[in-house]
Amino acid sequence: DTGVSQNPRHKITKRGQNVTFRCDPISEHNRLYWYRQTLGQGPEFLTYFQNEAQLEKSRLLSDRFSAERPKGSFSTLEIQRTEQGDSAMYLCASSPWDRGSNTEAFFGQGTRLTVV
Amino acid sequence: GDSVTQMEGPVTLSEEAFLTINCTYTATGYPSLFWYVQYPGEGLQLLLKATKADDKGSNKGFEATYRKETTSFHLEKGSVQVSDSAVYFCALINAGNMLTFGGGTRLMVKP
Repeated sequence: DTGVSQNPRHKITKRGQNVTFRCDPISEHNRLYWYRQTLGQGPEFLTYFQNEAQLEKSRLLSDRFSAERPKGSFSTLEIQRTEQGDSAMYLCASSPWDRGSNTEAFFGQGTRLTVV
Repeated sequence: GDSVTQMEGPVTLSEEAFLTINCTYTATGYPSLFWYVQYPGEGLQLLLKATKADDKGSNKGFEATYRKETTSFHLEKGSVQVSDSAVYFCALINAGNMLTFGGGTRLMVKP
């Protein structure tokens, strides 16, 4: 397994356009997380899935953001009507979560979004 | 809610100097604690972890001890190298939920 894969690595879009990012987690990892990281800051939690169920969403995730994991494997994060403030690195991570454990997450390389 | 506080950077050291990056946390219950590292142009990589009080995580010469009494997880290395230059993030997971990160500390090691 080659780890968590994210596509595209870079995306430049005009303000108001919609963008979609894809994340392929490590095989058989049941948990998948999305984070956002702006320059000089730590990653901020956006949302996470256990299998296909979206279990939690941050208040950072406005109505313009939607995430899916339809078959419990890959996930997509869509941002509608992008704004300049959406410019950031979007990180995906996965983990082999087990009840009662605090298992670390494995991160992809991220998708850098620039809204112009 | 849970939170992690790290010392602000950048931290600039000469090669072979001793490194300490402070990290304290606020959380209910019994979180697991982590240090992640982000090298220039790369993704986050797990550096080390500790899952219960008094555990010591270690990897690549780095160490951190889970101190419940002081709610701390300071990162140390006895002799840094230029190749250790990166951004270091302290993080916790509580009750099997998501990672909560500190703001990161940039380390620059000069030859």
